[in-house]
Order: sequence, then structure tokens, then C-alpha cells
Amino acid sequence: ELKVEQNPLFLSMQEGKNYTIYCNYSTTSDRLYWYRQDPGKSLESLFVLLSNGAVKQEGRLMASLDTKARLSTLHITAAVHDLSATYFCAVDIGRNNNDMRFGAGTRLTVKP
Amino acid sequence: DSGVTQTPKHLITATGQRVTLRCSPRSGDLSVYWYQQSLDQGLQFLIQYYNGEERAKGNILERFSAQQFPDLHSELNLSSLELGDSALYFCASSVRASSYNEQFFGPGTRLTVL
Repeated sequence: ELKVEQNPLFLSMQEGKNYTIYCNYSTTSDRLYWYRQDPGKSLESLFVLLSNGAVKQEGRLMASLDTKARLSTLHITAAVHDLSATYFCAVDIGRNNNDMRFGAGTRLTVKP
Repeated sequence: DSGVTQTPKHLITATGQRVTLRCSPRSGDLSVYWYQQSLDQGLQFLIQYYNGEERAKGNILERFSAQQFPDLHSELNLSSLELGDSALYFCASSVRASSYNEQFFGPGTRLTVL
């Protein structure tokens, strides 16, 4: 059975600091997604990573994918309070858009 | 705003009852997915429809069923409701693409079973 494991599950950090969230998965896939969810809100797509070595950056967030290690990282640079949210990674192992599984989520709190 | 709409936003009902949640995908998207999000189970994939046909099933209970109509909107039917069914139910949609499957999520329906 596919396992998608995120760590840490909870992360409290100071503004201005850097940190990395990890997403490990247990089966072959070259399609990985990162989503953000604010409390009580829906999920917002952040990054789509489609190949080994893919790296994408948006503002203070950078995501990468290592398909050989079955690992994706979400790196936060110089965190600001507005980044406080829950971040989910999701792995697609389907052939026809039909098998995407989410990690448990990392709840990030950025303190001033 | 993802372009995916869900109704109602909130639903409060009693145990044993039946409810229907509705989802309209983004314009042009053929696939609809249903998810349940609860504190204890996290985000769980329930079921996927593609162009009216069931494509994949996840952890969907037998008391739950779904369908996608010719206009591509979808409904999730939950029956014989139990307290544990209280959760946030999301619908997501995507276009059929051979290489990737970015899903766009609706605002969700918060179901409370009393």
C-alpha cells in the first residue's frame, strides 16, 4: 500500500528563519504536488513536480523532487507570518489521473 | 478562487439521515474527485469520476455513493449518517492530461451530524 509520509507534522518557527518540510513516499512516481491549506479553507495548489530533479520556486517557497530517493522537499526561506498554514504533499501513482494520495500535512506556524 | 463550486457550504443534520452534496467542476474539466477531511483521518480520497463514469475508488463507505451527470456536475450522497461522518467534504476537478493531474479544489462542504 502506498504510504506518503510528511515530516515534521507540526512546525513552529520564527520569522526570518529557514526550514525544510520533507515528503517521503513508498512507491514509484514522478508526479508530486504541494498544496497549501489555511484554517477552515480549501486547498490551494502550490507546485507541480513532474520529473526527477524538478525544482520550482515561488516567492519564499521552493520545492524539489528526487524520484530515485522517493523524496520531495518544500524549503521555506526567511519565513513570514503569512506563510502560516498547513502544507500537504500528494503523490500520483495512477496512469490516468486516478490515484493521488495525500500526506498527513505539516502545520506550519510562523511567529513574529 | 479555483473555479470549482460546492453547495451547500454548511450542512447540519441528524444521525440516520441522508444528504446530498453538490459539486460543479471548473469549466472544461472532465474529472471530479471527492475527498473527506477529518481531524482523525486526515484528507482521504473517496471516489473519482471522469466524464460521467466512475474511474477510481478510495476509502468510500458503502453508505456513500456518487455520480457525475452529463453536464459534468457531481453529487455525493451520504446515507444512514453517523456522528463519525462529520467532516469537511471537498470536491476537486482536473482536466484529463496524460502527463499530470493538478487538481483544483472547491471550497468544501462542512457536514455536522448531531
